[in-house]
Amino acid sequence: EAGVAQSPRYKIIEKRQSVAFWCNPISGHATLYWYQQILGQGPKLLIQFQNNGVVDDSQLPKDRFSAERLKGVDSTLKIQPAKLEDSAVYLCASSLRQGWGGYTFGSGTRLTVV
Amino acid sequence: DQQVKQNSPSLSVQEGRISILNCDYTNSMFDYFLWYKKYPAEGPTFLISISSIKDKNEDGRFTVFLNKSAKHLSLHIVPSQPGDSAVYFCAYGGQNFVFGPGTRLSVLP
Repeated sequence: EAGVAQSPRYKIIEKRQSVAFWCNPISGHATLYWYQQILGQGPKLLIQFQNNGVVDDSQLPKDRFSAERLKGVDSTLKIQPAKLEDSAVYLCASSLRQGWGGYTFGSGTRLTVV
Repeated sequence: DQQVKQNSPSLSVQEGRISILNCDYTNSMFDYFLWYKKYPAEGPTFLISISSIKDKNEDGRFTVFLNKSAKHLSLHIVPSQPGDSAVYFCAYGGQNFVFGPGTRLSVLP
């Protein structure tokens, strides 16, 4: 079984620029999550999708972050404009169903904003 | 408002001995408690879970204990192996999960 694919692995941008991350979940996994992990902290949920609908985006800074999951499969997370404090690893995860924490995480995208 | 605390940022243990990682939480409303393990440059990997209706769950060398009255979760690894060296996150939730800040475990040969 292929894992959760994320790209790019690394990205360096200047503040106020925009950036996009891509995630391809495990085939058949209806639930997809984007987490932000700042250095020294645990992953923090940004948004949760069930198929192509948003279940929880309460912690997504909507003035600058957006996410979509077209056709209930791949997902993209965008930041526009980026701030220095957005420097973090952005992790995508998927699971077969909601309410089950045994996610499969991707390797993440490490974003550095300079 | 941090809902999940892992008060030990790091822990060193001799190979073959027991590793005990601890986690405290504030909200009693959730259904599942989990432990994840993370190696550098990789995403976290699910390790073991426990339902809120149980107080113990075992899987090979890994045992998770839940003390609901103390709002405390612990992970025991026996015997510890060098390959267990990683960052361990506890998490809890229902529809989605809140993660602690992690404890870095070093198992010394």
